[in-house]
Amino acid sequence: SQKIEQNSEALNIQEGKTATLTCNYTNYSPAYLQWYRQDPGRGPVFLLLIRENEKEKRKERLKVTFDTTLKQSLFHITASQPADSATYLCALGGNNRLAFGKGNQVVVIP
Amino acid sequence: DGGITQSPKYLFRKEGQNVTLSCEQNLNHDAMYWYRQDPGQGLRLIYYSQIVNDFQKGDIAEGYSVSREKKESFPLTVTSAQKNPTAFYLCATHPGQGAYEQYFGPGTRLTVT
Repeated sequence: SQKIEQNSEALNIQEGKTATLTCNYTNYSPAYLQWYRQDPGRGPVFLLLIRENEKEKRKERLKVTFDTTLKQSLFHITASQPADSATYLCALGGNNRLAFGKGNQVVVIP
Repeated sequence: DGGITQSPKYLFRKEGQNVTLSCEQNLNHDAMYWYRQDPGQGLRLIYYSQIVNDFQKGDIAEGYSVSREKKESFPLTVTSAQKNPTAFYLCATHPGQGAYEQYFGPGTRLTVT
């Protein structure tokens, strides 16, 4: 069966350090992968998109890698700040729809 | 939240009643989506529409119905047949074809007792 796995345990990280989140998937062949940020009680907000033929994408303090052989994406927040505390969702795209992981909470400690 | 409106923010209903959740967009996007989110769960796709007067079932369509009579509007009806309707409902839009992001509304939290 198709699965998208993100760590269910919250990631607690000291301010200024790099937070790294993992998204693993099975039985998918996504054309692209996206990362979203979700704050409590609100809708997700798009952060980054990476296509199947791309290895890495960066946007400001964010970096995403995509390894279609390992079926894995890594999401990095460098120089983390308390305002980065949120839940981060990965989503696999194709056929005009997205399939979401359960999300991984990040808590940045001042 | 961009140009997507979901109303109301909180909705309370008695078991056995149908309820319709509103989603309106002014982004001129062709595609619209309805998701459901439960605590500790990811977003699950209920229905989606690529174009006016057409829509497709998602992964958990049972107990729900939709219509797409206008490009701007994609209302979701939660029927009494939905066994566990209490959840956070999110509407999203997408420009249409291609690898673009989805834009989400603020969500409606439905509680059925």
